[in-house]
Amino acid sequence: DTAVSQTPKYLVTQMGNDKSIKCEQNLGHDTMYWYKQDSKKFLKIMFSYNNKELIINETVPNRFSPKSPDKAHLNLHINSLELGDSAVYFCASTVGLAGVVNEQFFGPGTRLTVL
Amino acid sequence: QKEVEQNSGPLSVPEGAIASLNCTYSDRGSQSFFWYRQYSGKSPELIMSIYSNGDKEDGRFTAQLNKASQYVSLLIRDSQPSDSATYLCAAFDSWGKLQFGAGTQVVVTP
Repeated sequence: DTAVSQTPKYLVTQMGNDKSIKCEQNLGHDTMYWYKQDSKKFLKIMFSYNNKELIINETVPNRFSPKSPDKAHLNLHINSLELGDSAVYFCASTVGLAGVVNEQFFGPGTRLTVL
Repeated sequence: QKEVEQNSGPLSVPEGAIASLNCTYSDRGSQSFFWYRQYSGKSPELIMSIYSNGDKEDGRFTAQLNKASQYVSLLIRDSQPSDSATYLCAAFDSWGKLQFGAGTQVVVTP
């Protein structure tokens, strides 16, 4: 059974389109994250939710909007996609509140390519 | 200046030798540190965590932390070709965020 799953695995789209990435974890964790990994492999946090509440919101364009319908799901919607949005997006989860030190488990990633 | 700095490599290590990876961090409030391994096209997986000054050993891996010098290292003993990957150093900063370095690519040569 996959602990943290993401769909789709690959996403190829045109500039200006709107797309969504979905994440689900079956670990019973309270906190979920979105990370972006660029072409230089630099992994940077974007958002964090704890029990459906947004607790970390990094300096990310307003075109990115996360949504957590319940604590097992965290989705990422991106409006008006730009070339610079091309990256691998990882979902992660951990038990407890952000700031409490626990291992983060990562999903398999979604490779987004904007043409 | 990035919060967590690593040499990007590649670090070429003969099979059976020790690979030594280094990492420095800028936030003195960071208390918890992690090493993740990432194979090409895969997601990061945790291999070591360290919270106190000194050494922590787990199998062939040893993490070392020196908070005064803001320095974290990872040693991989008896390196195997399966250890070839990118190793990401991460620090939990004062604001509760996990800050990653850019990663060090390790290549173990037979």
